Amino acid sequence: GAGVSQSPRYKVAKRGQDVALRCDPISGHVSLFWYQQALGQGPEFLTYFQNEAQLDKSGLPSDRFFAERPEGSVSTLKIQRTQQEDSAVYLCASSFGQGRTYEQYFGPGTRLTVT
Amino acid sequence: GENVEQHPSTLSVQEGDSAVIKCTYSDSASNYFPWYKQELGKRPQLIIDIRSNVGEKKDQRIAVTLNKTAKHFSLHITETQPEDSAVYFCAAPNYGGSQGNLIFGKGTKLSVKP
Repeated sequence: GAGVSQSPRYKVAKRGQDVALRCDPISGHVSLFWYQQALGQGPEFLTYFQNEAQLDKSGLPSDRFFAERPEGSVSTLKIQRTQQEDSAVYLCASSFGQGRTYEQYFGPGTRLTVT
Repeated sequence: GENVEQHPSTLSVQEGDSAVIKCTYSDSASNYFPWYKQELGKRPQLIIDIRSNVGEKKDQRIAVTLNKTAKHFSLHITETQPEDSAVYFCAAPNYGGSQGNLIFGKGTKLSVKP
């Protein structure tokens, strides 16, 4: 079946603009994760959903970052008043099981560049 | 919380040779250790994982070994091919007050020279 998809693939935003990044997980996957990947680094956890419930948002770097998954499927990561340090690849992953010990499958990412 | 260290950061081998990448973790509660391969500009791809109830797992040319006592696990690639060239990440679950995340190593850039 289809894998995890993300849109847009590339986003250029002027500093101060708001952006919304979309993730479509694999159908039937209960868990959804957002990660941030800086150039040359491993993915860093942002937030975790189990169905529509956001169970962990400990990785969100500031209150400018907000994520939702209202119907337990598609998720949106929103960044308000973007800053240059927000430039990174934002990865979404989904998992059939609940939590961190099930296989996570990643989407292709959205590369955000803040100018 | 969990801390994952990965070595080496870069690795260059000749085609046909073996490659070994090592990771250490800090939390003895960790029980799941995946490895991801990421080609330039592509998504991280799960290539193999191991759970703490086994010491080794193989899948064709790749294998992962786990030493729970020493808290380290390794990725072994045999008969390397140019298409194995990529960045490889290890990961371990974070039980430090969080429910959902993996902690990733900083990655190993593997170059396989034909």
